[in-house]
Amino acid sequence: KAGVTQTPRYLIKTRGQQVTLSCSPISGHRSVSWYQQTPGQGLQFLFEYFSETQRNKGNFPGRFSGRQFSNSRSEMNVSTLELGDSALYLCASSLGSGGGNEQFFGPGTRLTVL
Amino acid sequence: KQEVTQIPAALSVPEGENLVLNCSFTDSAIYNLQWFRQDPGKGLTSLLLIQSSQREQTSGRLNASLDKSSGRSTLYIAASQPGDSATYLCAVFGNEKLTFGTGTRLTIIP
Repeated sequence: KAGVTQTPRYLIKTRGQQVTLSCSPISGHRSVSWYQQTPGQGLQFLFEYFSETQRNKGNFPGRFSGRQFSNSRSEMNVSTLELGDSALYLCASSLGSGGGNEQFFGPGTRLTVL
Repeated sequence: KQEVTQIPAALSVPEGENLVLNCSFTDSAIYNLQWFRQDPGKGLTSLLLIQSSQREQTSGRLNASLDKSSGRSTLYIAASQPGDSATYLCAVFGNEKLTFGTGTRLTIIP
């Protein structure tokens, strides 16, 4: 069974640009969550999508948005990039939403903002 | 607000030793606790999931315990190997999301 895949693996952008990251969950998983990992803040929750609906959102500005498609694939968009957005962006998939579901993570997308 | 702490931040032990990693959390209203390992520049690999109703889980040389009332979990690694070198993260699921600790960087010395 294939794991969680994320594309692209690496991205270099400049301030003010926008970026779209993609996540394909494990087959059969309907929940996708996104996390930002930085050396200073550690791993922080961005948002979760389940059945194409955003179920929960972390404390990030509106520049961070996402969506989920009918095949459970998810995209995350960051507009008007800032230097502080440089991070490893991880997505996780699980069978269902809510507690009790084991989370499986992808390899991440390393975003560098210059 | 849930806070998860992992101490120590870094640990070095000789190969073959048994070791314990610690995780504490402030809010006991959790659904489950999950332990992950992360290799440099890579994603997270799930090691063990403990539901809130469970006390421990075992997988191979790994054993994780959970004491929800005291807000603590431990990850026990038996007969450590150089391949166990990585950062270990614990995360608790509550309020519809995972809250992560800052991790313990483990180095196994051959």
